[in-house]
Amino acid sequence: NAGVTQTPKFQVLKTGQSMTLQCAQDMNHEYMSWYRQDPGMGLRLIHYSVGAGITDQGEVPNGYNVSRSTTEDFPLRLLSAAPSQTSVYFCASSYGTDQETQYFGPGTRLLVL
Amino acid sequence: DQQVKQNSPSLSVQEGRISILNCDYTNSMFDYFLWYKKYPAEGPTFLISISSIKDKNEDGRFTVFLNKSAKHLSLHIVPSQPGDSAVYFCAATLPGTYKYIFGTGTRLKVLA
Repeated sequence: NAGVTQTPKFQVLKTGQSMTLQCAQDMNHEYMSWYRQDPGMGLRLIHYSVGAGITDQGEVPNGYNVSRSTTEDFPLRLLSAAPSQTSVYFCASSYGTDQETQYFGPGTRLLVL
Repeated sequence: DQQVKQNSPSLSVQEGRISILNCDYTNSMFDYFLWYKKYPAEGPTFLISISSIKDKNEDGRFTVFLNKSAKHLSLHIVPSQPGDSAVYFCAATLPGTYKYIFGTGTRLKVLA
């Protein structure tokens, strides 16, 4: 199993540009989520999904969109990038039952100029 | 409003000694707690967890202690090894949810 994969590893954007961060898992996990990690802030939840076709907002959803058309994929879209979205983004997945361990991808480092 | 707090941003320990990482939380409804380890340029990896019905969980060199009355969680690493040098995050979940609330992390450096 590849586990949780994320692409790209690193991206530079100009303010106002759009892009999609890809996340895929091959563990047949129902639950998937996106976090951002900023210095001194820990990991903060952006959006999450409890299954195909179901998404919900986390702690810091503004400026981001998600969709979940398949169990395997959970892309994160930035419609109009802002410098405040410069961060490291992590995707995670789990089976989706209570008290379940989440598995994280390697991260995407995003720089918005 | 930081519900999960790691008040020590960094910690240095000699190889072979005990490392103690601390975590405090404010929400008494949290029912599951986890520790993750993160190396630079990698995603967090699961280390150990504890349910709120327990006060201790052990896995090899790693032990997590939970003090519910004090709303305090700690991770003990004995003996510490240079490969343990990483950032450690504690996280908590509420019953019936899959959302983690993370602390801000503690950078552990184990000196050889």
